[in-house]
Amino acid sequence: GESVGLHLPTLSVQEGDNSIINCAYSNSASDYFIWYKQESGKGPQFIIDIRSNMDKRQGQRVTVLLNKTVKHLSLQIAATQPGDSAVYFCADLSNDYKLSFGAGTTVTVRA
Amino acid sequence: KAGVTQTPRYLIKTRGQQVTLSCSPISGHRSVSWYQQTPGQGLQFLFEYFSETQRNKGNFPGRFSGRQFSNSRSEMNVSTLELGDSALYLCASSFSGDNSPLHFGNGTRLTVT
Repeated sequence: GESVGLHLPTLSVQEGDNSIINCAYSNSASDYFIWYKQESGKGPQFIIDIRSNMDKRQGQRVTVLLNKTVKHLSLQIAATQPGDSAVYFCADLSNDYKLSFGAGTTVTVRA
Repeated sequence: KAGVTQTPRYLIKTRGQQVTLSCSPISGHRSVSWYQQTPGQGLQFLFEYFSETQRNKGNFPGRFSGRQFSNSRSEMNVSTLELGDSALYLCASSFSGDNSPLHFGNGTRLTVT
């Protein structure tokens, strides 16, 4: 079965607010996680990654937090914009070259 | 740098036919993997190649096969198509496949009638 999953299938957020997307994983041996954004008609787009030796990593307007104790990671998007509307996936890259994806969270930005 | 390129973008086939999908990875990337995306099953791993060798294969029937060429380009083939094979087929490339991010193409939308 899947090793990662997302807490909520949908998230509605006001433009300009911060978004938080959560993800739980079950495999305590997981050591490399990637967040993807998928817009309609396109493939998943790499957002940010984090390895298990880190708790936090920041990119442009995005921050990923990893809590290994409870096997949870989150993606925070600052000042959400209409272009952030998409489906977001967390994924775990195993050491046998396979990405295991969660079901995805659909983010809708309200104007 | 050009991204992952998949051709064709759309395909319509009938049951029993076969299909070949093509993927050109990002320049310098030697790992190519394939995923099937459907509304019901989400993203499912098909197989991964590195230096022309398949290193891992997902839980799909033998009708699904692939290969990688010496220039890292990859193809996947589905024989004896079934209605349930209708899906978005995604190719991803990465530098090494195990410790570097995978970058996806925009996929091939296959419809089987």
